[in-house]
Amino acid sequence: EDQVTQSPEALRLQEGESSSLNCSYTVSGLRGLFWYRQDPGKGPEFLFTLYSAGEEKEKERLKATLTKKESFLHITAPKPEDSATYLCAVQAFEMDSSYKLIFGSGTRLLVRP
Amino acid sequence: NAGVTQTPKFQVLKTGQSMTLQCAQDMNHNSMYWYRQDPGMGLRLIYYSASEGTTDKGEVPNGYNVSRLNKREFSLRLESAAPSQTSVYFCASRGSSGELFFGEGSRLTVL
Repeated sequence: EDQVTQSPEALRLQEGESSSLNCSYTVSGLRGLFWYRQDPGKGPEFLFTLYSAGEEKEKERLKATLTKKESFLHITAPKPEDSATYLCAVQAFEMDSSYKLIFGSGTRLLVRP
Repeated sequence: NAGVTQTPKFQVLKTGQSMTLQCAQDMNHNSMYWYRQDPGMGLRLIYYSASEGTTDKGEVPNGYNVSRLNKREFSLRLESAAPSQTSVYFCASRGSSGELFFGEGSRLTVL
């Protein structure tokens, strides 16, 4: 069964304290892995797409990496405005033409000043 | 640029009542989706529409129906609401690179 697991469930950091969030997945064939940011009371906002092992993407203080079994979202010198829930989702190859994402439960990040 | 717009933002229903959640996107996307989000369970796909005129079941379709009214609009209907349908509902459309654009969500409570 296709599955996505994110860890930790919650993470508290001091401003400037770098860390990483993990997304491990088991799918029959990975078509793409997506990272989203979700602020309280809002819909998820797209951050990155990764397609193959070894690929990396960066945006400001965030860097996403991908291996054959997991993805990491590295946060360098975080600021309080980086506080949010970060969601990981995978798209598996489907026999039909459907496009379905499997989401993890997310990591709630709190960055204290 | 509005993106994906959902209405209503909040709704309280009694068990057995019906209602429709409305969704519209102005990005000319072909594919649209309805998800529900519950604490600790992540986003789960209810129904999706790969293109105008087609709809398909997702992971948790029971108790819901959908209508793809035109390319812009995709509605979700609860015919007889149950407390288990208390959730936050998100509509999304898919961009050309595969990314999803989400609405702000509709928070539904069924008493």
